[in-house]
Amino acid sequence: DQQVKQNSPSLSVQEGRISILNCDYTNSMFDYFLWYKKYPAEGPTFLISISSIKDKNEDGRFTVFLNKSAKHLSLHIVPSQPGDSAVYFCAASAQGGKLIFGQGTELSVKP
Amino acid sequence: EAQVTQNPRYLITVTGKKLTVTCSQNMNHEYMSWYRQDPGLGLRQIYYSMNVEVTDKGDVPEGYKVSRKEKRNFPLILESPSPNQTSLYFCASSSPGLALDEQFFGPGTRLTVL
Repeated sequence: DQQVKQNSPSLSVQEGRISILNCDYTNSMFDYFLWYKKYPAEGPTFLISISSIKDKNEDGRFTVFLNKSAKHLSLHIVPSQPGDSAVYFCAASAQGGKLIFGQGTELSVKP
Repeated sequence: EAQVTQNPRYLITVTGKKLTVTCSQNMNHEYMSWYRQDPGLGLRQIYYSMNVEVTDKGDVPEGYKVSRKEKRNFPLILESPSPNQTSLYFCASSSPGLALDEQFFGPGTRLTVL
């Protein structure tokens, strides 16, 4: 049973436009959510996180939104740049426990 | 430079031949973990360790062993590899002093079992 789902395996956007990556979860006990970014031949790197007590967290061009009632979070990248092309993983944890990852979404930003 | 290193980066082996993938971190992190990444399944945790001599199973521990004799090292052992263990493996570490979930990952080890 996949507790964290990223239903879009891939996403293509034009440079300068907004990228929106989505993630759904089923476990209502999750209280901390993260996004990781992965380039080919490298390990994932932490990008941004949000606690369940918030509904938005912003860091430069990256903003994560959390909708607890819908059990949905999204990552917005504005403006998108070619260097943002990577695989993005959504992850969640409950009370400091292990991380559960989604399947990943491959973002391609075209010049 | 703060980092997690893994060796080897690439390995092709045959069924049943024991192998070890090493993982080392230089950040004095207490928590270390192994994941495997497979298409359509994302990252799944194999084993984790909260500190020296403390290890526990993750979601997919079958066919794997780990040990944590020193804080910096967390090797992954496949006693009798099988083709279904062909995957991309990542080691990660973090510290409870930071957010435990904000893990630092190694560069990955691509394993092929024939």
